[in-house]
Amino acid sequence: DSGVTQTPKHLITATGQRVTLRCSPRSGDLSVYWYQQSLDQGLQFLIQYYNGEERAKGNILERFSAQQFPDLHSELNLSSLELGDSALYFCASSVGGGHSYNEQFFGPGTRLTVL
Amino acid sequence: AQTVTQSQPEMSVQEAETVTLSCTYDTSESDYYLFWYKQPPSRQMILVIRQEAYKQQNATENRFSVNFQKAAKSFSLKISDSQLGDAAMYFCAYGGGSQGNLIFGKGTKLSVKP
Repeated sequence: DSGVTQTPKHLITATGQRVTLRCSPRSGDLSVYWYQQSLDQGLQFLIQYYNGEERAKGNILERFSAQQFPDLHSELNLSSLELGDSALYFCASSVGGGHSYNEQFFGPGTRLTVL
Repeated sequence: AQTVTQSQPEMSVQEAETVTLSCTYDTSESDYYLFWYKQPPSRQMILVIRQEAYKQQNATENRFSVNFQKAAKSFSLKISDSQLGDAAMYFCAYGGGSQGNLIFGKGTKLSVKP
């Protein structure tokens, strides 16, 4: 158990819908990272938040957005869903925010299926 | 932009034997970190081993060791005395610069034969 929790574990929805994925980082970790794992694109970085502020952006679509709340949990919002958004979405957390030597601890992921 | 390449989509090893997974990367940065992550069928991402680029000594964690060749930008993972529980997807990852996010390779699926 990494200490990072993600809910829900599985999500099945229809095209055009909107969903919210939730992540709680390990106690004491200030950074949250979101990654998408799909069959064709592999593991891709989406976005990072550090202590409530957006720190870095990766290959995140405009239909996707995220935020980190004062209690440090984070939510990833996916809207106008398409079939291609079906993937495993990971959240990871680390103590620091700017250097990768702070080990990232991954949550169990949320499996999103868009029908 | 940094890239990570794993040229072996699949590998197979006999139980108790040794296997080496390959990874190459490209970067213009001098200070960075390299990682190997294991993803078993449970889909959990598990950090196997980490290497700091400024360290010349290759990292070792029990049966897992790396061969880090900085000039060649190569970072291979050696698994000794392979066990059935080692069967998984293995991802090579790069981290560096001012950002903390990781850049992953496409992965190598390792099978362990009894």
